[in-house]
Amino acid sequence: AQKVTQAQTEISVVEKEDVTLDCVYETRDTTYYLFWYKQPPSGELVFLIRRNSFDEQNEISGRYSWNFQKSTSSFNFTITASQVVDSAVYFCALSEAKDSNYQLIWGAGTKLIIKP
Amino acid sequence: SAVISQKPSRDICQRGTSLTIQCQVDSQVTMMFWYRQQPGQSLTLIATANQGSEATYESGFVIDKFPISRPNLTFSTLTVSNMSPEDSSIYLCSARQGLPNTEAFFGQGTRLTVV
Repeated sequence: AQKVTQAQTEISVVEKEDVTLDCVYETRDTTYYLFWYKQPPSGELVFLIRRNSFDEQNEISGRYSWNFQKSTSSFNFTITASQVVDSAVYFCALSEAKDSNYQLIWGAGTKLIIKP
Repeated sequence: SAVISQKPSRDICQRGTSLTIQCQVDSQVTMMFWYRQQPGQSLTLIATANQGSEATYESGFVIDKFPISRPNLTFSTLTVSNMSPEDSSIYLCSARQGLPNTEAFFGQGTRLTVV
């Protein structure tokens, strides 16, 4: 069965530290898509990145980077030189190509606290 | 991308009453979903709003309690009926094109408190 695990419930770091949020997934589908979303205190979910199962290249966007490893079924998210504005809950999600309902499977989320 | 307007943004309601939440998307989308998010929790899918037909509900959610309408490809409503304090939560509308590689977009959410 499909599943997304974010084992870190809460992470607290001091500003400018690097931090990595872990995401481990389970799927029987050979084609699937992984997503990261940010939910700041305002509550709205903001899409950050999508990665498909055929593309294991790491991606970097400014201070954000993502490490996708099929061998370990992980899609981890690193924030470099963290800032207070990065404080939010971050969700990892999975979408399977064979799912005709087009539902996203959500992880439990990791609450990231950046202290000034 | 799609911009989703959801209203009301928050409400305080008396138990036993009903609240209808509206979700408007600025472009046509194939899929619309309604989620519930308890404080500090992940998203729980309530139902998929189907255009022109009855919504598809997830286990634990029923039409009598959460009637959903979707009259066209840009609009949907969720009603929380006969509310109790246990219904206090954040309700989120989401839209997505009917492809598994597309991202989902979300409204601002409705923070509901039932007293």
